[in-house]
Amino acid sequence: AQKVTQAQTEISVVEKEDVTLDCVYETRDTTYYLFWYKQPPSGELVFLIRRNSFDEQNEISGRYSWNFQKSTSSFNFTITASQVVDSAVYFCALKLHGGSQGNLIFGKGTKLSVKP
Amino acid sequence: GAGVSQSPRYKVAKRGQDVALRCDPISGHVSLFWYQQALGQGPEFLTYFQNEAQLDKSGLPSDRFFAERPEGSVSTLKIQRTQQEDSAVYLCASSPGLAGGPTYEQYFGPGTRLTVT
Repeated sequence: AQKVTQAQTEISVVEKEDVTLDCVYETRDTTYYLFWYKQPPSGELVFLIRRNSFDEQNEISGRYSWNFQKSTSSFNFTITASQVVDSAVYFCALKLHGGSQGNLIFGKGTKLSVKP
Repeated sequence: GAGVSQSPRYKVAKRGQDVALRCDPISGHVSLFWYQQALGQGPEFLTYFQNEAQLDKSGLPSDRFFAERPEGSVSTLKIQRTQQEDSAVYLCASSPGLAGGPTYEQYFGPGTRLTVT
């Protein structure tokens, strides 16, 4: 069975601190895709990144970086020098390849509060 | 607008009423998904359309839930005889790609918050 676990329910940091959001996934498939989405208070899910299972290169985009490690089935997300605007719920998600299984399997989310 | 739109944004229904939730995907997007997001939880898959064909409805929680996309564009999620446990945010997402092919990100709408009293 496929599953995504985000063990941190809530994290609170002070502005300019670095913060890492953990994501652990389970699947027996060899080809799959991992995503991070941001859900601000307005409710709309905003796409942040997609990685496929064959690409373990870490990625950096501005203050955001992602660490994908197949050996530990983890896809962690780090925000450097956090800002108040980063406050949101962040979801990690898994998608399998092939067939009609196009749906995303989401974790329960981590609520990040960045205080000024 | 260029994004996915959903209406209504908020819906209050009395237990037992039928409701219809609408999703307008991004023009030209082949794939359309419905998700249910309970308070404090991640979205959970309900159903998937490829154009007008409903290819996967394994996530629909009961036969009171019905979805359609008759012309391969706008989709409607209908819930009959609503129950309190149906209270949730219903999210629609569209994608330019096919579910089984090279994957594309899904673009989400703002959701419809359904409250059943």
